[in-house]
Amino acid sequence: GAVVSQHPSRVICKSGTSVKIECRSLDFQATTMFWYRQFPKKSLMLMATSNEGSKATYEQGVEKDKFLINHASLTLSTLTVTSAHPEDSSFYICSAAGQGTYSNQPQHFGDGTRLSIL
Amino acid sequence: QKEVEQDPGPLSVPEGAIVSLNCTYSNSAFQYFMWYRQYSRKGPELLMYTYSSGNKEDGRFTAQVDKSSKYISLFIRDSQPSDSATYLCAMSARLQETSGSRLTFGEGTQLTVNP
Repeated sequence: GAVVSQHPSRVICKSGTSVKIECRSLDFQATTMFWYRQFPKKSLMLMATSNEGSKATYEQGVEKDKFLINHASLTLSTLTVTSAHPEDSSFYICSAAGQGTYSNQPQHFGDGTRLSIL
Repeated sequence: QKEVEQDPGPLSVPEGAIVSLNCTYSNSAFQYFMWYRQYSRKGPELLMYTYSSGNKEDGRFTAQVDKSSKYISLFIRDSQPSDSATYLCAMSARLQETSGSRLTFGEGTQLTVNP
């Protein structure tokens, strides 16, 4: 149980392209989803917290117009990197906090999306 | 000073060894303590979580929390090459409440178990 699916797993695109990453909770409803960024050999850096049906809360230093987050349903959140540039290349990971059966469990993570901007 | 301190390693041990991984923290509000395992190019996988102080055992893994010392540990018995990964400790003041469920991570310890 508590499976979080993230898609795509790998993206390579040209500078200036916008890229959308999907995060789905497959077997539970996620009231809150989190988006992280991870640099090589570093820990996870929280970018934003999204709650279903409301605006995301961004961490200090994260550009909300650059990283658009939508959490339209209890099983889906999306992160769109707009007009991506090489410095946006990174490993992006989502996680979900559940309710119901999973309300007493910590966050469960997707397998990440490796984004490479040429 | 970071809220959570974790030795990044790398740590290299022979197969069968007992591995001890540790984190210290400074925020006394933390009540929930997690250990995640992350393989290369994958997302973190929840291994263990505990509430408040005490021990929790699951197979070859034992998690210990000492809130008085603000110190948590993960022990891996009979370590296997498949245990080679980065281990991240994480903590939160609350689990599910929206305002308090954010996790604070350690830097992660890179472990290699040699056959």
